[in-house]
Amino acid sequence: AQTVTQSQPEMSVQEAETVTLSCTYDTSESDYYLFWYKQPPSRQMILVIRQEAYKQQNATENRFSVNFQKAAKSFSLKISDSQLGDAAMYFCASEGGSQGNLIFGKGTKLSVKP
Amino acid sequence: DARVTQTPRDKVTEMGQEVTMRCQPILGHNTVFWYRQTMMQGLELLAYFRNRAPLDDSGMPKDRFSAEMPDATLATLKIQPSEPRDSAVYFCASGLGDGAEAFFGQGTRLTVV
Repeated sequence: AQTVTQSQPEMSVQEAETVTLSCTYDTSESDYYLFWYKQPPSRQMILVIRQEAYKQQNATENRFSVNFQKAAKSFSLKISDSQLGDAAMYFCASEGGSQGNLIFGKGTKLSVKP
Repeated sequence: DARVTQTPRDKVTEMGQEVTMRCQPILGHNTVFWYRQTMMQGLELLAYFRNRAPLDDSGMPKDRFSAEMPDATLATLKIQPSEPRDSAVYFCASGLGDGAEAFFGQGTRLTVV
């Protein structure tokens, strides 16, 4: 069975600073995908970044990047130059290749201080 | 602008009543997920369909919940009878599977009193 663990219920960052959100996962799949989704107060779920497990290179999307450590089953999200609009719940998720289930962690609430 | 449409957006019902939530996936998507979001449990996967066939509903309480896809443009989640502990936001998402992005609807906020 797949599991996703986010150990930080809440995090805070100063505007323009960098913050890292942690995520660990467990899966028996050899082929899988990892995601970070953002949920602002509007409750709309928005994809932030995606990583294919077979790729060693860490994914980046503008100010968002991941540190993917496959052996450690760790998938952290780094937000650089934090902006007020980054304040939201952030969910880590994994999808097993053969099963296709998309499983989420419990989320980290990020606050951005001006 | 393709999007996943969920109805209703908000629902208040009395305990014991039947509740039906509907979802229109994005045209062409072959994968549909139903999630329940609560403060305590986060996003729980209730059911998962691929090409309209249910592949996993292990997260769903079978005695009162049911999920179906009568056709490719409609997914439904029913609760009968509803209970106060079912109060949550229910999300539908659709995608192309195989690691592709899942697109979420706006969710249905269900309150059972």
